[in-house]
Amino acid sequence: SQQGEEDPQALSIQEGENATMNCSYKTSINNLQWYRQNSGRGLVHLILIRSNEREKHSGRLRVTLDTSKKSSSLLITASRAADTASYFCATDASRDDKIIFGKGTRLHILP
Amino acid sequence: SAVISQKPSRDICQRGTSLTIQCQVDSQVTMMFWYRQQPGQSLTLIATANQGSEATYESGFVIDKFPISRPNLTFSTLTVSNMSPEDSSIYLCSVSFGFGVQAEKLFFGSGTQLSVL
Repeated sequence: SQQGEEDPQALSIQEGENATMNCSYKTSINNLQWYRQNSGRGLVHLILIRSNEREKHSGRLRVTLDTSKKSSSLLITASRAADTASYFCATDASRDDKIIFGKGTRLHILP
Repeated sequence: SAVISQKPSRDICQRGTSLTIQCQVDSQVTMMFWYRQQPGQSLTLIATANQGSEATYESGFVIDKFPISRPNLTFSTLTVSNMSPEDSSIYLCSVSFGFGVQAEKLFFGSGTQLSVL
């Protein structure tokens, strides 16, 4: 069953701008992760934030987590053409060890 | 980290036939999973491949349709049986290492793009 819902479904921005994607989920979680997928191939792990953390940074990535609202956001600063991909949030529910993926946001960086 | 080789990378198959997808990891892993990604959709977990025992299937997936083997800690296969056009998807092998907090991150193969005519 689907746990996470990203929005927007698709996003096009100019190179150099910041991109923000949001994820909402339904049940209590241990952690929330963001993955990137290029051209329908394998996913690459970007960043993990635990349920007791509120914000985390990794290079140009900034992730926030609001457990009271059951939502997270991924910010990519100073976007580049290579950032064009689909981005998925994934949650590890408290009740079991399964990692469930959201529907994803397709990000397109315009030159 | 791990290098995950998934074969074939793509295939076009006839209705009613079966395809076996292989997933080879260059190191021993704790958990191996199989996901399906239908066109333009998210990933859906098919099953957890258990070493030396039957796979654990998610709701909506059954062993007769998606038999899975995992003979050791580095290799697994997924078979898509008696295929129909609705099985056209990307199939992804993923693995994790360790237990508990060490096992949180997933590593993925490059996927198998399956088209059923």
